[in-house]
Amino acid sequence: EVQLVESGGGLVQPGRSLRLSCAASGFTFQNYYIHWVRQAPGKGLEWVSAISWNSASIGYADSVKGRFTITRDDAKNSVYLQMNSLRVEDTAFYYCAKELRGHSDSSPDSWGQGTLVTVSS
Amino acid sequence: EIVLTQSPATLSLSPGEGATLSCRASQSVGSSLAWYQQRPGQAPRLLIYDATDRATGIPARFSGSGSGTDFTLTINSLEPDDFAVYYCQQRRHWITFGQGTRLEIK
Repeated sequence: EVQLVESGGGLVQPGRSLRLSCAASGFTFQNYYIHWVRQAPGKGLEWVSAISWNSASIGYADSVKGRFTITRDDAKNSVYLQMNSLRVEDTAFYYCAKELRGHSDSSPDSWGQGTLVTVSS
Repeated sequence: EIVLTQSPATLSLSPGEGATLSCRASQSVGSSLAWYQQRPGQAPRLLIYDATDRATGIPARFSGSGSGTDFTLTINSLEPDDFAVYYCQQRRHWITFGQGTRLEIK
């Protein structure tokens, strides 16, 4: 069974940093793109970042470019999102998700349950 | 950035009725379009991928159509569990989501 478990969320002051983790199991992790998607309370879904199976292709939403960094550790079946210079508007549930097909671009089919990041003074 | 516009924002229907949800892309995404259902307090659930293919375990009541810039999600014979928020998403260039359509009980 595919499982994705996010951790690392919490309350942080504006301007500070936080590192989210996504631990994966139940599939061949090193073959898949992994995405981070966020959702502010009561709002819609916003794509944040993605990393390809070989880390050769990495993308960020304009809203986080230059502040967030995505990495993966295939030995630990994990993806990380380093979030620096956090803003109040970064407050959201952060989900990690794997793509439907390995070694190709496809839509995410499995999602974690999310971790809440609250940026407030 | 590819912008996805969903309509209507809210759809009020009764169980047993059919629903038609639309998604328009600001430029062609080919068939790289997916639909998700999200219930309160839950993660999104993939319904349709590649514009027309049902994901594993999704009932045949759900169907997707379209290509290029105009896409439709059709839900036949609505059941109580179908009342939720639906998002379209493109994977032509990274990912963007539509703003969502809320399907509510009339």
